[in-house]
Amino acid sequence: DADVTQTPRNRITKTGKRIMLECSQTKGHDRMYWYRQDPGLGLRLIYYSFDVKDINKGEISDGYSVSRQAQAKFSLSLESAIPNQTALYFCATSEPGRGVSQETQYFGPGTRLLVL
Amino acid sequence: AQSVSQHNHHVILSEAASLELGCNYSYGGTVNLFWYVQYPGQHLQLLLKYFSGDPLVKGIKGFEAEFIKSKFSFNLRKPSVQWSDTAEYFCAVNAGRNTDKLIFGTGTRLQVFP
Repeated sequence: DADVTQTPRNRITKTGKRIMLECSQTKGHDRMYWYRQDPGLGLRLIYYSFDVKDINKGEISDGYSVSRQAQAKFSLSLESAIPNQTALYFCATSEPGRGVSQETQYFGPGTRLLVL
Repeated sequence: AQSVSQHNHHVILSEAASLELGCNYSYGGTVNLFWYVQYPGQHLQLLLKYFSGDPLVKGIKGFEAEFIKSKFSFNLRKPSVQWSDTAEYFCAVNAGRNTDKLIFGTGTRLQVFP
């Protein structure tokens, strides 16, 4: 779905390096999310943002930080990458439904990160 | 804490077989329920969702799911699978009035052989 794009699509980095994953969306959604996917664990929420001034920690935020530069852009940073951060990372956006909890989330294509 | 369980981790079927993937959640209040599908090498796509009303929900590609409140379940079904249904399927729950987060199950990998 070209409405949500992620760069890079694949990245190999070394332990201790700082790395940034970027997400852009043209859907005009206010809400954006970062997840990581690990085999057998499903998707886990790292951070989410409801608008440019709003940042919230998710289930597994340790070792990560985010920046919401604009409505359309939400970046995820690994300050000092470690091997157990090797995973598939997904960005998502959501549209407001009737009430906060009725959102449908739209996912980007994912970034596959390998930390050596 | 809210949780979502998908007990079938890996399902292997032949084409034309019927499919049912289990999803159970732990939350006693109002829930919104989703099934997402991830085809090989692709991102997650919404398959269907339940917010309220008819507990039998029809989604894309012939999939349907039934919300059974008494069983805390939202099982996914398809009468006759195709090879192109090979994918990973995730159940997700968004629970409570002021909860903004989706809780995902661990996923079920479906392999369909011709």
